[in-house]
Amino acid sequence: QVQLQESGPGLVKPSQTLSLTCTVSGGSISRGGYYWNWIRQHPGEGLEWIGNIYNSGSTYYNPSLKSRVTISVDTSENQFSLNLSSVTAADTAVYYCARAPRGGYCTTTSCFYYFDYWGQGTLVTVSS
Amino acid sequence: DIVMTQSPDSLAVSLGERATINCKSSQSVLYSSNNKNYLAWYQQKPGQPPKLLIYWAATRESGVPDRFSGSGSGTDFTLTISSLQAEDVAVYYCQQYYSTPPTFGQGTRLEIK
Repeated sequence: QVQLQESGPGLVKPSQTLSLTCTVSGGSISRGGYYWNWIRQHPGEGLEWIGNIYNSGSTYYNPSLKSRVTISVDTSENQFSLNLSSVTAADTAVYYCARAPRGGYCTTTSCFYYFDYWGQGTLVTVSS
Repeated sequence: DIVMTQSPDSLAVSLGERATINCKSSQSVLYSSNNKNYLAWYQQKPGQPPKLLIYWAATRESGVPDRFSGSGSGTDFTLTISSLQAEDVAVYYCQQYYSTPPTFGQGTRLEIK
């Protein structure tokens, strides 16, 4: 059974960089077949996809956040990480990591599917 | 971006009755190469992450009760709960994975009448 667990600071100051790590257990990132994602949910609101990474290091990012986002992978630790720079109060949210199967049929702009496993989420508050 | 619009925003249904949630995409999520609809449904209970219920618009995830079913094609989709149980109280989201970025509907809150 695959499990994902987010970790990182729960409080970040405005203009600083938010850094989170997702540790995967019950399955190896290096084995392939899946994209590893970050998704956030503002308090009381809907879900926003941030971006993802494959074990090769190939990434997709949401254009709305692309200028501030970096996602990296450490296959030796079976972890992947999110850095979001220049944060403001608008970045306060619950951040989830999630797994998505890699597509056998890639459309013109997407090569990954639905999110089948999720972490429990971690609340990050941006405040001075 | 593909915009996903759910209706209604909230819904109250009696125990044992049918609940129906609709989802409309701003463009088709049917991929002609494999004739599949790139549409998923999730259930989110308070304090928990979303849980995958349905993918490919109509394929039930392993372990999901068969009272949950998905239907539709192209731009119009439906999640149906055939006989509402108390544990089904949650917010339900549709999501398209046809194009990047994947996008979610705004959510439908399901309550007991």
